[in-house]
Amino acid sequence: DTGVSQNPRHKITKRGQNVTFRCDPISEHNRLYWYRQTLGQGPEFLTYFQNEAQLEKSRLLSDRFSAERPKGSFSTLEIQRTEQGDSAMYLCASGGGAVYGYTFGSGTRLTVV
Amino acid sequence: SQQGEEDPQALSIQEGENATMNCSYKTSINNLQWYRQNSGRGLVHLILIRSNEREKHSGRLRVTLDTSKKSSSLLITASRAADTASYFCATDPTSGTYKYIFGTGTRLKVLA
Repeated sequence: DTGVSQNPRHKITKRGQNVTFRCDPISEHNRLYWYRQTLGQGPEFLTYFQNEAQLEKSRLLSDRFSAERPKGSFSTLEIQRTEQGDSAMYLCASGGGAVYGYTFGSGTRLTVV
Repeated sequence: SQQGEEDPQALSIQEGENATMNCSYKTSINNLQWYRQNSGRGLVHLILIRSNEREKHSGRLRVTLDTSKKSSSLLITASRAADTASYFCATDPTSGTYKYIFGTGTRLKVLA
């Protein structure tokens, strides 16, 4: 088990393009989170999955954002029609329950130019 | 929106000294966690303290929780240059949400 894996590590895209990020959680973890972090700030919650069910979404997750977790395994986060304000680090975390804390991936850094 | 506020925002100490950082939050919680983040990397879970606990230790880390004041502190004893990082508290609110809410972080620099 190599922890939570996120791909790509870095993504530079032009404004208006669509991007998709992938998160592979620790295999036995049924809980998966996406967070967004901008420079100098703490992570902001985007969405939460328990197995394949998306149980909570932040209002930050506008119509241009969508996340999926088919079969309760890996998860994808797609941003359509990217804007410069979407530039941030996108973090994925997985866990088996609140008691033990969550394991974060190294993140995907998105730069929209 | 972020529930937690860490204090101080930045802290610079000499190697061997102790570092204390504080976290205040707004709503009732099930538990509170502390995470470390090295520059440009993901977060590493350090310690979790439940709402019915007052103090917890893990190696050189000591965490306290005062639910009446809605605050927590993280003490790192005998700091090392490798402790240089940002430290965040994250709260698990009792209000029926699944999300963990992170504070704004304390940037710790340990000088060798």
